[in-house]
Amino acid sequence: GAVVSQHPSWVICKSGTSVKIECRSLDFQATTMFWYRQFPKQSLMLMATSNEGSKATYEQGVEKDKFLINHASLTLSTLTVTSAHPEDSSFYICSARTRTNYGYTFGSGTRLTVV
Amino acid sequence: AQTVTQSQPEMSVQEAETVTLSCTYDTSENNYYLFWYKQPPSRQMILVIRQEAYKQQNATENRFSVNFQKAAKSFSLKISDSQLGDTAMYFCAFMKHENYGQNFVFGPGTRLSVLP
Repeated sequence: GAVVSQHPSWVICKSGTSVKIECRSLDFQATTMFWYRQFPKQSLMLMATSNEGSKATYEQGVEKDKFLINHASLTLSTLTVTSAHPEDSSFYICSARTRTNYGYTFGSGTRLTVV
Repeated sequence: AQTVTQSQPEMSVQEAETVTLSCTYDTSENNYYLFWYKQPPSRQMILVIRQEAYKQQNATENRFSVNFQKAAKSFSLKISDSQLGDTAMYFCAFMKHENYGQNFVFGPGTRLSVLP
């Protein structure tokens, strides 16, 4: 079935540094990738929608300069958390639509801890 | 804007018994999809079941079935013969039908514990 590979699965970084999270669709082309953020014991909140070859669309309240999204190819979308701060610590999950019967597949998530 | 509500933050059930998780939603759309996703401790989101709003017949997937009441905007999940592996967070989710590539709107989740 359709698989989205998300890396890294966890990362610890120092305040002020940048971290890149990658999501790759392994056996299908993902024209659209969604990036969600999940705080502990909370639900998934959409951060942005990434379309291949165009600028990402950010949800209200999400800082586009802090959360840089690049979707340069049909199989790769990246989220870069720039100048990370402890409040950016969270679980980040990507999701892509597959072309099979309205299927959506999720990456395995990235736990980011900023110290 | 669409909203999804899950009124049960936590539930527990004995192994082999049946449990029902509640979900209500609010939308002005007529065509949409509803989903139940499971998130075990691994945090991987796993699709449990999907319902198209235009279908009157309730979706079923093995031990999982839904009670979809469109007029009441209710979409409950019934898990029969509960197994220890069903222990997880369960999220109800809504998606508009309009265009290819819609995002999910998730409910706050229900933490289900299956007890031995």
